[in-house]
Amino acid sequence: AQKVTQAQTEISVVEKEDVTLDCVYETRDTTYYLFWYKQPPSGELVFLIRRNSFDEQNEISGRYSWNFQKSTSSFNFTITASQVVDSAVYFCALSEGTGANNLFFGTGTRLTVIP
Amino acid sequence: DSGVTQTPKHLITATGQRVTLRCSPRSGDLSVYWYQQSLDQGLQFLIQYYNGEERAKGNILERFSAQQFPDLHSELNLSSLELGDSALYFCASSVTPGLARVNEQFFGPGTRLTVL
Repeated sequence: AQKVTQAQTEISVVEKEDVTLDCVYETRDTTYYLFWYKQPPSGELVFLIRRNSFDEQNEISGRYSWNFQKSTSSFNFTITASQVVDSAVYFCALSEGTGANNLFFGTGTRLTVIP
Repeated sequence: DSGVTQTPKHLITATGQRVTLRCSPRSGDLSVYWYQQSLDQGLQFLIQYYNGEERAKGNILERFSAQQFPDLHSELNLSSLELGDSALYFCASSVTPGLARVNEQFFGPGTRLTVL
């Protein structure tokens, strides 16, 4: 069975600090996809990144970076030089490569960036 | 703006009633997914449609049903509503059903349902 664990329920940082959001997943599939979504206070879910299980390259997009490690079943997300606009709930999600392609979400991490 | 639209934005109703939530996917997307976000259950997959056909079911109650129409918009019908059905209901769309790959899903703004 698939499972996504985001052990950090809430994190607070001061503006300009770096912060890492952890995500650990479980799946029996060898082909799977991992995602991060952002849910700002306005409520919508914003897609940030997709990574497939065959691509362990880390990715950087501006102040955002992602570290995918199959050996530890983790897909962590780092925000560098955090800003107040980064305050949101961040969800990690898993989709297995076989069967339905729906997303299994973690419980989310609420990030608060203090000015 | 994800390109996915949902109406209404807010819905307040009473227990025992029936409501319909509507979703229009992004232009060109054939797959529509419905998710429920509640405080106790988190974000849960309900059901998926692809090009008018039901493709997958998640934790969807028997009191809930959905359909996708020829113009690809989808409706989620919730009946015999209970207090516990109060939640944010999201629709998402993606390009393909993911036979060869799983594509990212783009979410609508959600419909907040309050059952009193």
